[in-house]
Amino acid sequence: DIQMTQSPSSLSASVGDRVTITCQASQDISNYLNWYQQKPGKAPKLLIYDASNLETGVPSRFSGSGSGTDFTFTISSLQPEDIATYYCQQYDNLPPGFTFGPGTKVDIK
Amino acid sequence: QLQLQESGPGLVKPSETLSLTCTVSGGSISSSSYYWGWIRQPPGKGLEWIGSIYYSGSTYYNPSLKSRVTISVDTSKNQFSLKLSSVTAADTAVYYCASPTIYCSSTSCPPSIWGQGTLVTVSS
Repeated sequence: DIQMTQSPSSLSASVGDRVTITCQASQDISNYLNWYQQKPGKAPKLLIYDASNLETGVPSRFSGSGSGTDFTFTISSLQPEDIATYYCQQYDNLPPGFTFGPGTKVDIK
Repeated sequence: QLQLQESGPGLVKPSETLSLTCTVSGGSISSSSYYWGWIRQPPGKGLEWIGSIYYSGSTYYNPSLKSRVTISVDTSKNQFSLKLSSVTAADTAVYYCASPTIYCSSTSCPPSIWGQGTLVTVSS
């Protein structure tokens, strides 16, 4: 099984700050890495797919990078509406399935 | 636009079978998605993929749940369903149905369309 770790588990930042979250896979997953945003009481929303592709309609302040085992998610300028928990998710094709990281809770300082 | 809506009992007794249905609107379940899946989230915890059924009829389940899970499609009702047997309190969670965009043509496409979720509590 591929294990996913995320860091930090939580963070507080000011409006306008650059926020970075990292996700690490226990083995090479190529670019099969996605990022979701989840607000309290709501379903997760896909923000980034295949490590670096911005989902349609998602603001450009969100971005992703990486390949292999190490990935980064960035909010270039934190906005109040970005308060949420962010999850990375990897795809494994043997057999087909998904695994989520433990999540990073983002708050406003 | 494709929309998903979960339904089913909010309370299930321990050792019984949890049964949920996801109704698909805005498109045909036979042709609108590469796969249909279920994901759950225990209260205050993270997300766990349960399994998916693909357009081919193949199913793939989380190995940790495989012995207890069945996902199936009912094309006549435009629904797909989840059955989880022998439930315990650890199965208490919000259950989401989900699918990828209609442009998906691979098993690696991430779920991008989600239902609102339904809370299922396992308790006697």
